[in-house]
Amino acid sequence: QKEVEQDPGPLSVPEGAIVSLNCTYSNSAFQYFMWYRQYSRKGPELLMYTYSSGNKEDGRFTAQVDKSSKYISLFIRDSQPSDSATYLCAMKPGGTDKLIFGTGTRLQVFP
Amino acid sequence: GAGVSQSPSNKVTEKGKDVELRCDPISGHTALYWYRQRLGQGLEFLIYFQGNSAPDKSGLPSDRFSAERTGESVSTLTIQRTQQEDSAVYLCASSADTEATNEKLFFGSGTQLSVL
Repeated sequence: QKEVEQDPGPLSVPEGAIVSLNCTYSNSAFQYFMWYRQYSRKGPELLMYTYSSGNKEDGRFTAQVDKSSKYISLFIRDSQPSDSATYLCAMKPGGTDKLIFGTGTRLQVFP
Repeated sequence: GAGVSQSPSNKVTEKGKDVELRCDPISGHTALYWYRQRLGQGLEFLIYFQGNSAPDKSGLPSDRFSAERTGESVSTLTIQRTQQEDSAVYLCASSADTEATNEKLFFGSGTQLSVL
């Protein structure tokens, strides 16, 4: 079993839809949780960063962490074609420097 | 520069040849990471530098892979005797590595390596 599981998709939604992206993990030591967005032929860029359980909102994006269920989510409201990209979850325990990434979910938002 | 720069952006080589991939991190970033991304896969950790030393080399897949960093700046990832399974995008990232920011990696656009 991988430490971090993520559905690779692809996920195709119409413009304006609410998108839900999810990851599960097995290592209860993970404390820091991130979502990266990767456009084609580009490196990943940090989208959201959370520590511990709870919600964090930034514009149209909401990151949610449920440590009891070992489950994290990224919600995108009012999705736009420019949101079409691969979304990677990443996480790590405290006191280490190695991020563990999910495989990424490819999202396509069509007009 | 403003961001992490990697060169070359594309590299095609023949099986058995050696290749060198270069990474210029963001100025002042003390932490530097190399990741590998195979087609349709997530990012696979290779090696991490703090300054010029590498406290974590656990991800290097074999002794054909090595990396160095000089002047707390440029890093080079070397793959000797390349194999077809080495074909992937090699991504470099850097971070300021303060307690508040060491989770926030800034990635380059990667080097697409194709081994024929």
